[in-house]
Amino acid sequence: SAVISQKPSRDICQRGTSLTIQCQVDSQVTMMFWYRQQPGQSLTLIATANQGSEATYESGFVIDKFPISRPNLTFSTLTVSNMSPEDSSIYLCSVLPDSPYEQYFGPGTRLTVT
Amino acid sequence: AQTVTQSQPEMSVQEAETVTLSCTYDTSESDYYLFWYKQPPSRQMILVIRQEAYKQQNATENRFSVNFQKAAKSFSLKISDSQLGDAAMYFCALAVSGGSNYKLTFGKGTLLTVNP
Repeated sequence: SAVISQKPSRDICQRGTSLTIQCQVDSQVTMMFWYRQQPGQSLTLIATANQGSEATYESGFVIDKFPISRPNLTFSTLTVSNMSPEDSSIYLCSVLPDSPYEQYFGPGTRLTVT
Repeated sequence: AQTVTQSQPEMSVQEAETVTLSCTYDTSESDYYLFWYKQPPSRQMILVIRQEAYKQQNATENRFSVNFQKAAKSFSLKISDSQLGDAAMYFCALAVSGGSNYKLTFGKGTLLTVNP
């Protein structure tokens, strides 16, 4: 398994500002993912962030709004830019180790935009 | 494209009883994995159980077991001897392997309440 930590665990931000969320894994992993979970909803994949390549974004998500960094095999950041109240969600980091074939999740960052 | 459908938005069970959560899926791939995740109010996603599509035997993990019906594309989760700590949102998920094309697709979830 993999142990994942996220910072911050929660934040309240003003409209128009940006927030960077950090994700740290206790082991080296190639594949990392960022998800958004709106209140009472399921998880929606924002992007896949593999070390050594540009992040791949899902339909409806763009790099200008959600820039991602992946500087090494244990760390990634997601920035939520120019925030609006619609960005209020839980943001989760996730990893897929080479073995076993199971995806693990961080504790999430609860973001509220006022 | 892959889809996962959970037709029960909410379920309830009495403590110590058994409950079954339903999930159906669709994929054209032959090599895939199915999962059940649990998300308690703490919001931490916890992997409950995993099933490889190529295995005929149903997976079990202590009080949790699945009924995997590959032809029917059905993957239900049975929780035996339900405990108060089982109360959570349960998500069924499908992963199609394939290197850079890997993606985990979630259902909408089933909220399980356990009554004392």
